[in-house]
Amino acid sequence: AQSVAQPEDQVNVAEGNPLTVKCTYSVSGNPYLFWYVQYPNRGLQFLLKYITGDNLVKGSYGFEAEFNKSQTSFHLKKPSALVSDSALYFCAVTNQAGTALIFGKGTTLSVSS
Amino acid sequence: GAVVSQHPSWVICKSGTSVKIECRSLDFQATTMFWYRQFPKQSLMLMATSNEGSKATYEQGVEKDKFLINHASLTLSTLTVTSAHPEDSSFYICSARDMRVGLNEQFFGPGTRLTVL
Repeated sequence: AQSVAQPEDQVNVAEGNPLTVKCTYSVSGNPYLFWYVQYPNRGLQFLLKYITGDNLVKGSYGFEAEFNKSQTSFHLKKPSALVSDSALYFCAVTNQAGTALIFGKGTTLSVSS
Repeated sequence: GAVVSQHPSWVICKSGTSVKIECRSLDFQATTMFWYRQFPKQSLMLMATSNEGSKATYEQGVEKDKFLINHASLTLSTLTVTSAHPEDSSFYICSARDMRVGLNEQFFGPGTRLTVL
């Protein structure tokens, strides 16, 4: 069965510092990995995805993620956090194009000024 | 980019009534749409997969007679919560898969907040 683990309920960083939001996955076959961000009472906004190719994926708003097959991880990163990055972040996976995504429980990112 | 809308964005209803939520792909056709449910500060849980012109596929534990899904066209799927009860109060989010070749990304609607009194 497919699964996604986001081990941290909350990540706190100071503005201007780098941030990392962790995600590990379990899936049979090749993974399709996604990161989404959700602001209060809003839907999900797509940040980035890994399907194939370069292990370092660059996405929206300066975010990037690195696919590590041996560690089955897909951690989200940003070199310099902004207060406006404070939100709920979801990692998601599927093993087949076009199928429903399995989501992690989410990680709340809090960036302090 | 692809846009998915949901209507209404929020609804309050009395216990025992039925509520219909619409999910539309505005600038692309979607043979497949997904319905998720999200409880406060929790993850999204897949409820069902909606396929245009055929019956929806429900996840284990989801009552198909309570959550009626209709995917009548390539741009519209509806979720009807029948005989709603307070425990059905939740945030319902749909997503649509762009059917164009090579695209396997899902686009999410803004969600519908349902409150059952």
